[in-house]
Amino acid sequence: GQNIDQPTEMTATEGAIVQINCTYQTSGFNGLFWYQQHAGEAPTFLSYNVLDGLEEKGRFSSFLSRSKGYSYLLLKELQMKDSASYLCAVMDSNYQLIWGAGTKLIIKP
Amino acid sequence: DVKVTQSSRYLVKRTGEKVFLECVQDMDHENMFWYRQDPGLGLRLIYFSYDVKMKEKGDIPEGYSVSREKKERFSLILESASTNQTSMYLCASSPGTGGFSGANVLTFGAGSRLTVL
Repeated sequence: GQNIDQPTEMTATEGAIVQINCTYQTSGFNGLFWYQQHAGEAPTFLSYNVLDGLEEKGRFSSFLSRSKGYSYLLLKELQMKDSASYLCAVMDSNYQLIWGAGTKLIIKP
Repeated sequence: DVKVTQSSRYLVKRTGEKVFLECVQDMDHENMFWYRQDPGLGLRLIYFSYDVKMKEKGDIPEGYSVSREKKERFSLILESASTNQTSMYLCASSPGTGGFSGANVLTFGAGSRLTVL
């Protein structure tokens, strides 16, 4: 079957760095997405990786290793507004998205 | 800004009632999707549509139907609501299928939280 695993919850301190991991087993691979979802709000797109390596976008970076079925989202200089759930999703060979259950990130002052 | 608007943020219905959830997008996107989101589970796809009057079943279509009569509007229908359909329903749209990332980036609506008593 197809599966996406990510930690249920993580806690970090304001100003610090946090890495949220995502591992996947899917039928084929056509890219990996990260979305951010604040409580009670819509998920919003953060990043897309289809080739191995690191993609940097300001304070957020996303890394992919296709051979290991692994990605991480790296958040630097954490701010209180980064408290949210982070959703990992993989596009399979049929261009269908397989979603992880999300990682709830709690930022403490 | 791309906007996806869902008609109702909160609904409370009784078992057996017919429920309509409406979704409108204003960016001429080809694709529209209905997901449900439950605690501890990833988003689960109910139905999707790649074109007007076209619909495809997702992973959990049982108990649901959809309608896409106009490109901008995608409705989810629960013919006879049951308590196990209590959930958050998310509508999303994307520009189109294809091999480049932008075509597949989803824009979500704010969600409709449905409670079935």
